[in-house]
Amino acid sequence: GQNIDQPTEMTATEGAIVQINCTYQTSGFNGLFWYQQHAGEAPTFLSYNVLDGLEEKGRFSSFLSRSKGYSYLLLKELQMKDSASYLCAVIRAGTALIFGKGTTLSVSS
Amino acid sequence: GAVVSQHPSRVICKSGTSVKIECRSLDFQATTMFWYRQFPKQSLMLMATSNEGSKATYEQGVEKDKFLINHASLTLSTLTVTSAHPEDSSFYICSAREGRGFSYNEQFFGPGTRLTVL
Repeated sequence: GQNIDQPTEMTATEGAIVQINCTYQTSGFNGLFWYQQHAGEAPTFLSYNVLDGLEEKGRFSSFLSRSKGYSYLLLKELQMKDSASYLCAVIRAGTALIFGKGTTLSVSS
Repeated sequence: GAVVSQHPSRVICKSGTSVKIECRSLDFQATTMFWYRQFPKQSLMLMATSNEGSKATYEQGVEKDKFLINHASLTLSTLTVTSAHPEDSSFYICSAREGRGFSYNEQFFGPGTRLTVL
């Protein structure tokens, strides 16, 4: 079966660092994606991990441990515009993206 | 590059009517397109996968006779919601991918279509 878990909601303040965790159990694994989605809009790509380790891209970093079925998205120097839903998605054998339920992040001043 | 469009962006229809949603890859050839549905405050649920020129593969629980998918060209896939009912009201999002097989190719998402069935 497919199971992707992430926290439902998180809150943080401007300038802070927040880590959004994702654990997964899927039949087949070809990589893990993180997407950002604002309400009423389509998801936008943030990062892709297929090998273990940390991928850094500006204020956003993503980590993957395949043996633990675990990933996290790290957001630094938080800004108000980072308030959004963050979706963890696994691409399984056969190429379909399977999404977690998403984490709604609220950034306050 | 890698732009995916959807039309219409919003549609309101009466119960029992059919609605067609188009998904187009504007600057690349999409051998595979995916259709997702998202209910309020929930994540994207994969409905079906369509490869150009072949029948779509539907996820468990998705009625293939109700959600008709056609992927007749490398740049266009359509989703037709037949005999729509209020419970079909949702945000429908398509994504497109260039490559085939198991290698990584990023999926590019369309802007979504908000369907409201009265």
